[in-house]
Amino acid sequence: DAGVTQSPTHLIKTRGQHVTLRCSPISGHKSVSWYQQVLGQGPQFIFQYYEKEERGRGNFPDRFSARQFPNYSSELNVNALLLGDSALYLCASSLDNRGSNQPQHFGDGTRLSIL
Amino acid sequence: GESVGLHLPTLSVQEGDNSIINCAYSNSASDYFIWYKQESGKGPQFIIDIRSNMDKRQGQRVTVLLNKTVKHLSLQIAATQPGDSAVYFCAENMDPGGYQKVTFGTGTKLQVIP
Repeated sequence: DAGVTQSPTHLIKTRGQHVTLRCSPISGHKSVSWYQQVLGQGPQFIFQYYEKEERGRGNFPDRFSARQFPNYSSELNVNALLLGDSALYLCASSLDNRGSNQPQHFGDGTRLSIL
Repeated sequence: GESVGLHLPTLSVQEGDNSIINCAYSNSASDYFIWYKQESGKGPQFIIDIRSNMDKRQGQRVTVLLNKTVKHLSLQIAATQPGDSAVYFCAENMDPGGYQKVTFGTGTKLQVIP
């Protein structure tokens, strides 16, 4: 069975541009969460989507947005890119949006570099 | 691939020895904990989990211990192998209200010496 898949694997953008990253969850998983991982640190929670709605959000500006589609896949959008947005963006899926007893499973991420 | 382990605490272990990786968590309301392994150029991979009503859980070659009194987790890897070399993160899960918030620790880089 396929795990969480993300595309593209690498991307280079310049400051001020906009980017869209894509994620397909594990089959049967209805929740998708996005994380930002800066080099040398642990992943930081951006937001979680469930049933096409944003259910929770971390400490990230409104330049970061996402959407979830009827097939539970998701897109992360970042506007007005800054140099500090350079990071590995990880997508994780889980069965639903509750956290008490289910792990999130991660894709291998998209490496975004801002020049 | 690019390393995710720069500037992280490092544990060096001889192949065949046991490894113990420690983690302190911050939120006493967290009720579910996971250890992830992240290899260079890859995303975090689920290893083992434990709920807050347990203090020990065993998997294949791995054991997680939870001490809620001092908010401490540890991951024990038996007979460490070169393929265990990676960065290990503990993650605490909580439900602040209708969603799953996962907070990762700072990570420990495990280097296995052949």
